[in-house]
Amino acid sequence: DSGVTQTPKHLITATGQRVTLRCSPRSGDLSVYWYQQSLDQGLQFLIQYYNGEERAKGNILERFSAQQFPDLHSELNLSSLELGDSALYFCASSVNLPGETQYFGPGTRLLVL
Amino acid sequence: AQSVAQPEDQVNVAEGNPLTVKCTYSVSGNPYLFWYVQYPNRGLQFLLKYITGDNLVKGSYGFEAEFNKSQTSFHLKKPSALVSDSALYFCAVRDGDSGGYQKVTFGTGTKLQVIP
Repeated sequence: DSGVTQTPKHLITATGQRVTLRCSPRSGDLSVYWYQQSLDQGLQFLIQYYNGEERAKGNILERFSAQQFPDLHSELNLSSLELGDSALYFCASSVNLPGETQYFGPGTRLLVL
Repeated sequence: AQSVAQPEDQVNVAEGNPLTVKCTYSVSGNPYLFWYVQYPNRGLQFLLKYITGDNLVKGSYGFEAEFNKSQTSFHLKKPSALVSDSALYFCAVRDGDSGGYQKVTFGTGTKLQVIP
């Protein structure tokens, strides 16, 4: 158990809908990262937050957004969902010091029908 | 831009034999290198990392990795493979000279199959 929690574990929804994925980082970790893992594109970095502020952006679509709250939990919002958004979404957290290790949550499996 | 290459999609090895999973990287500054393992339907688990110091890094579950600066490689090794080592392995890199906000780049993963 990494100490990072994600909810829900599974999510089934329809095209065009909007969903929210939630992540609670390890105690003491200030940075939260979101990744998308799909069969054809591997593990793709989406976005990083540090202590409530966006710090780095990767291959995140405009239909997706994220935020980190004062209690350091984070939410990833996916809207106007398409079939191709079906994937595993992982959250990771770290202290955000040089050389820090990212610790991954168990993931949310999203299926868009 | 930084990048990671894992040239083998899959590696098959017999139980008890040594295993190697290859990784090469490209980064402008000093490399911070990581190996993670992913079991089916699970998140990524940290195995080991190289930041500085001894080129041979020892990690969890008997794994080790050797940092080779001239070949820009960070291959994962284990002297004797177990069936339970069968999983997906990811190499990752970040630029150690870019502060705490530089993203980590992951390789495409190598599936390790240990044959009984």
